[in-house]
Amino acid sequence: DVKVTQSSRYLVKRTGEKVFLECVQDMDHENMFWYRQDPGLGLRLIYFSYDVKMKEKGDIPEGYSVSREKKERFSLILESASTNQTSMYLCASIRPSQRQAFFGQGTRLTVV
Amino acid sequence: EDQVTQSPEALRLQEGESSSLNCSYTVSGLRGLFWYRQDPGKGPEFLFTLYSAGEEKEKERLKATLTKKESFLHITAPKPEDSATYLCAVQAASSNTGKLIFGQGTTLQVKP
Repeated sequence: DVKVTQSSRYLVKRTGEKVFLECVQDMDHENMFWYRQDPGLGLRLIYFSYDVKMKEKGDIPEGYSVSREKKERFSLILESASTNQTSMYLCASIRPSQRQAFFGQGTRLTVV
Repeated sequence: EDQVTQSPEALRLQEGESSSLNCSYTVSGLRGLFWYRQDPGKGPEFLFTLYSAGEEKEKERLKATLTKKESFLHITAPKPEDSATYLCAVQAASSNTGKLIFGQGTTLQVKP
């Protein structure tokens, strides 16, 4: 079975903290994505990576950065957490030739 | 601009009452259209990929169809366990990174 694993299901952080969200996939997929999901706004793309050390901004990159040092791992970093970053964060991976994206279980982040 | 619109936002059905969910899209060349199911607090679960107009795919009580402008997810004789949010996403032909553009979803509630 294909698997995308996010390091935490639930996180509570304080305003101003640096936050790391980790995502690991075991499918040898080239492309990985970070989305956030908010009621009424759907899934919005934050960043994606199409190769090790390669990254591109998505639609809402402000306040976030990413790291991809190994093919299987894609990290999302909140440089200085703010309350408007309280959200569900979803990681996905895809091999474009398969035209099928698999998601992790999500991380519910609350910034207080 | 590539865009996906789902309707209705919410749908309540009685058990056994068949219905359809709509996904309208505008994209600069369609590479693929995806349907996902998402349960509360969890990541999206892949259901179908459709590639060209006229294509249909089925899984249990679900059937997905595709035209040049929209896709339908038909639910036949639904059961309470079909209650979930159904997400539609498109992948543009110009995208070689697998980026998915999502609609806002339809939340389905099936009452016994």
